Amino acid sequence: AQTVTQSQPEMSVQEAETVTLSCTYDTSESDYYLFWYKQPPSRQMILVIRQEAYKQQNATENRFSVNFQKAAKSFSLKISDSQLGDAAMYFCAYPSSGTYKYIFGTGTRLKVLA
Amino acid sequence: GAVVSQHPSRVICKSGTSVKIECRSLDFQATTMFWYRQFPKQSLMLMATSNEGSKATYEQGVEKDKFLINHASLTLSTLTVTSAHPEDSSFYICSASSGGWGDTQYFGPGTRLTVL
Repeated sequence: AQTVTQSQPEMSVQEAETVTLSCTYDTSESDYYLFWYKQPPSRQMILVIRQEAYKQQNATENRFSVNFQKAAKSFSLKISDSQLGDAAMYFCAYPSSGTYKYIFGTGTRLKVLA
Repeated sequence: GAVVSQHPSRVICKSGTSVKIECRSLDFQATTMFWYRQFPKQSLMLMATSNEGSKATYEQGVEKDKFLINHASLTLSTLTVTSAHPEDSSFYICSASSGGWGDTQYFGPGTRLTVL
């Protein structure tokens, strides 16, 4: 079965510091996609980053980058120079092949300390 | 990124009434739309997947006669909660995608439903 696991219910980071949120998944597929979404207090889900499994290069979006380890089935999100606006729930998601629906992790709540 | 709107953002209704929530993709054609329910401090729970012009596919345990989904066009899907009861009170979120595998889902801002 395809599963997504986020083992950190809550993380804290000092403003301007770097934090890494972990995500592991289980799949028997060789080609797939992975996503990180952010859900701030407004509850609007916002795409943070998208990774294509067949690409060796880790995806990057400004201060957000991923460490994609395909063999280990790990997809962690690194946030550099953390800002107060980064405080949110972060969800890792894996689109199930065939149905295209997302399998979400349980989320990690990130607190940013001033 | 693509924009998805959802209306209303908040609704309060009496028990036994029906409520319709609209989800619109504003700047792209959404072949596939998804409806989620989110309980406080929890992840999103998928209720159903709808493809334009087809019947929705409901997740196990979701009552299709209670949660009616219509996806009549490439830009609009609606969720109707029929005969709503207090236990249906929740945060409902829609998302839309172009329908290809690996395509990004773009999410609406959500609807807070309170049933009195």
